[in-house]
Amino acid sequence: QQQVKQSPQSLIVQKGGISIINCAYENTAFDYFPWYQQFPGKGPALLIAIRPDVSEKKEGRFTISFNKSAKQFSLHIMDSQPGDSATYFCAAGYGQNFVFGPGTRLSVLP
Amino acid sequence: KAGVTQTPRYLIKTRGQQVTLSCSPISGHRSVSWYQQTPGQGLQFLFEYFSETQRNKGNFPGRFSGRQFSNSRSEMNVSTLELGDSALYLCASSLVLAGKDTQYFGPGTRLTVL
Repeated sequence: QQQVKQSPQSLIVQKGGISIINCAYENTAFDYFPWYQQFPGKGPALLIAIRPDVSEKKEGRFTISFNKSAKQFSLHIMDSQPGDSATYFCAAGYGQNFVFGPGTRLSVLP
Repeated sequence: KAGVTQTPRYLIKTRGQQVTLSCSPISGHRSVSWYQQTPGQGLQFLFEYFSETQRNKGNFPGRFSGRQFSNSRSEMNVSTLELGDSALYLCASSLVLAGKDTQYFGPGTRLTVL
């Protein structure tokens, strides 16, 4: 019940395209869903986060879609750029208990 | 405001040795969590400290321990190192206020066990 599933494992997108990463969780106690971006040699950096009382949150080119009944949430990166090439982690948490997905390696081709 | 700092950034040890890693949270943050990151297992939660008390613990053996000081700085210790302990150890701090549970990660300590 603590697992967070994430797909795809890797993703290749052309510059200007839309990158979509999906996550699913099981534990209904989770009430906070952040996405992190990690570049090689760096720690994960918070990208955007959502709580289950809203179905969508947008910040610049990044949008989280949240489906509470399906226990799924996804990250959309619009107008993907080569600088977005990184590993993306979804997470689910309550309080300070966080469970992370296995990560998606995104490559944006110029 | 300075971010989360971790020292040292890189460490090489041999099997059987012990190691201590340090984490200084963002000023004002009282919660510090530790994670182990490996290519095979991803990000795995080790433990979380709040006000010098361990509140949560992941599924790691007792060789992994930690503590938090009154200034919220935290240390993590691994005793009797094994080859499989080679990983990036990440520390994350959090403000711990209602609606502000976001964790901010440090750059990590890369531990290599030979």
